[in-house]
Amino acid sequence: DIVMTQGALPNPVPSGESVSITCRSSKSLLYSDGKTYLNWYLQRPGQSPQLLIYWMSTRASGVSDRFSGSGSGTDFTLKISGVEAEDVGVYYCQQGLEFPLTFGSGTKLEIK
Amino acid sequence: QVNLLQSGAALVKPGASVKLSCKASGYTFTDYYIHWVKQSHGKSLEWIGYINPNSGYTNYNEKFKSKATLTVDKSTNTAYMELSRLTSEDSATYYCTRLGPRDYWGQGVMVTVSS
Repeated sequence: DIVMTQGALPNPVPSGESVSITCRSSKSLLYSDGKTYLNWYLQRPGQSPQLLIYWMSTRASGVSDRFSGSGSGTDFTLKISGVEAEDVGVYYCQQGLEFPLTFGSGTKLEIK
Repeated sequence: QVNLLQSGAALVKPGASVKLSCKASGYTFTDYYIHWVKQSHGKSLEWIGYINPNSGYTNYNEKFKSKATLTVDKSTNTAYMELSRLTSEDSATYYCTRLGPRDYWGQGVMVTVSS
């Protein structure tokens, strides 16, 4: 199985500051079609997860442009430009390259 | 609008089974796979498997092959997951979800295994 490893944040983060969440996969997620099958989700407290970014850098419908995804085949970053109160929650990276789908352990964001 | 409505919380005894439901609405049920995801309390997400509602084809995470059984009822647009031989390790919140560039998740159902 592909192992997804996420970094932590120095919580709490001051409102308005920009943060980067890192994720690493144990196998390249770059597929032969040129797409990198890495997704980012946010799970707000008490809610179901919601997709933020797919194919490493494509924002899902309705997602603020404060969220951006980047990376290589195995190292990925989710950047939040100017965190706001509504961004609080746990962020998960997930690989969609092969089954079983696997998630990172999550990165918690708290706002000061 | 797309909605996945899951059945209510369940309290079950060790060794028993439980069948969770996920009723889809707002789209053509047979056009999209339904995935199931487990989240143990305060922990990360684990993919259990998916079912193709059109064909009934299933694909399981090896870890859950002997634990979960996925089925659908096309007449009611409902997906089911049965969990068998429950232990405390199965206590968790379970989500059904339609994954993809536009994802939709059920509200989650908490299963508690306790005598």
